[in-house]
Order: sequence, then structure tokens, then C-alpha cells
Amino acid sequence: QVQLVQSGAEVKKPGASVKVSCKASGYTFTSYGISWVRQAPGQGLEWMGWISAYNGNTNYAQKLQGRVTMTTDTSTSTAYMELRSLRSDDTAVYYCARDGRLTGTTHYWGQGTLVTVSS
Amino acid sequence: EIVLTQSPGTLSLSPGERATLSCRASQSVSSSYLAWYQQKPGQAPRLLIYGASSRATGIPDRFSGSGSGTDFTLTISRLEPEDFAVYYCQQYGSSPRKLTFGGGTKVEIK
Repeated sequence: QVQLVQSGAEVKKPGASVKVSCKASGYTFTSYGISWVRQAPGQGLEWMGWISAYNGNTNYAQKLQGRVTMTTDTSTSTAYMELRSLRSDDTAVYYCARDGRLTGTTHYWGQGTLVTVSS
Repeated sequence: EIVLTQSPGTLSLSPGERATLSCRASQSVSSSYLAWYQQKPGQAPRLLIYGASSRATGIPDRFSGSGSGTDFTLTISRLEPEDFAVYYCQQYGSSPRKLTFGGGTKVEIK
């Protein structure tokens, strides 16, 4: 079965960087892209961007351009999301997600990674 | 850029009642690319409906989606205790890949 397992919670200071991993299993990793979505405490869902696991093409949300980088390691079936110059309003749960074969949208989700930015 | 507006913000209903949730897009959305999610506290979102009206695998038939153009609806025919949660609509595009979420509707027990 499809599984996405994310790295553990992080606490960072303002201005630092964080890199969250998302290890995929149960399918051919390069057949699907990975989206990243975040959710600030008590708030809604915000799409951060997408990466093709096939060729590394990316599309980032405009508000995060220049601060976010998404990569993949096909040898370990792992996707990464790095966010730089962290601010307090980056405090959120970060999710990776994969499309369903038939649904065409984010169907399989990781468990989420809490990133806390605090001085 | 498409903006999705969900209403109401909160819906207070009793188990057994019918829930009707609205999602309005700022411009026309292809029905093929409108989805609904359920999210409970501490959990990742769960896909309920894709293509505006198709239920994802394992989703009970009390959940149904409808609509086209700029107006979409999620209906829960008879609320079960486990249905009290927050619901999000989502528009998804493929070229380039992009997702847009609505602000959510909380369905709470009256």
C-alpha cells in the first residue's frame, strides 16, 4: 500500500532553515509527483509547491518563491522540502502528498511534520 | 489566480441531519478538477470527492458532490458522529501543477 512517512518535528530559530523529508513506499516513486501543503495552527491548508519525481521539475507557490526548494532522491524514494529564512508565521504542520492514479489529485498524505519557529 | 470561498464558515447540526456545504470559485473551474476533503484534529486531510462528484475509494455514499462552473456543493445526507470535522474544497490544475484550497467549513455538533 502507498505510504508516505515524514521526518519528525523540528524547532528552529527565526532566520534558520528547515528540511523536511518524505519517504515513499508501496509504489514506483518516479511515477508520481509530490505536493507539499502546510497548515498553520488553527488555520486552513496552503499549497506550497510540487515536484516531479520523474524529472525534478518544480512549481512553487508564488509567495514562497526564493525561500523554498523541493528535491527528490530517487535512490531512496524520498522527497525533501527545504524552507529558508524562517519566520514565526512559518510555524505550521507540513504535509507531503501524492496524487491518486484515478483521482488526479492529492490522495495519499504523509502524517505531517510540525515545524515550530521561535526565538 | 482562482480563489475558492467556502460557506458557511461553521455549520451547527445534529446527527442525522443533512449538511450542505458550498464552495464558490472566483472564475470558472473545470468540474474535472474540483475536490473535497475532510480533516479531523491532528490528522491529515482525507480525500472524499474528486472530479466534483466522484467518491474516492472507501467513502460512504452519504457523501455526494455536485456543481459546475463557479458553484460547487458537498452534501452529507445524514450526519454520523464521525462526520463532524472541517471540510475543504480544492481546485487542482495539471499544467503547471498547482492546488488551491478554500478556507474550510467546520461542521460541529449542535
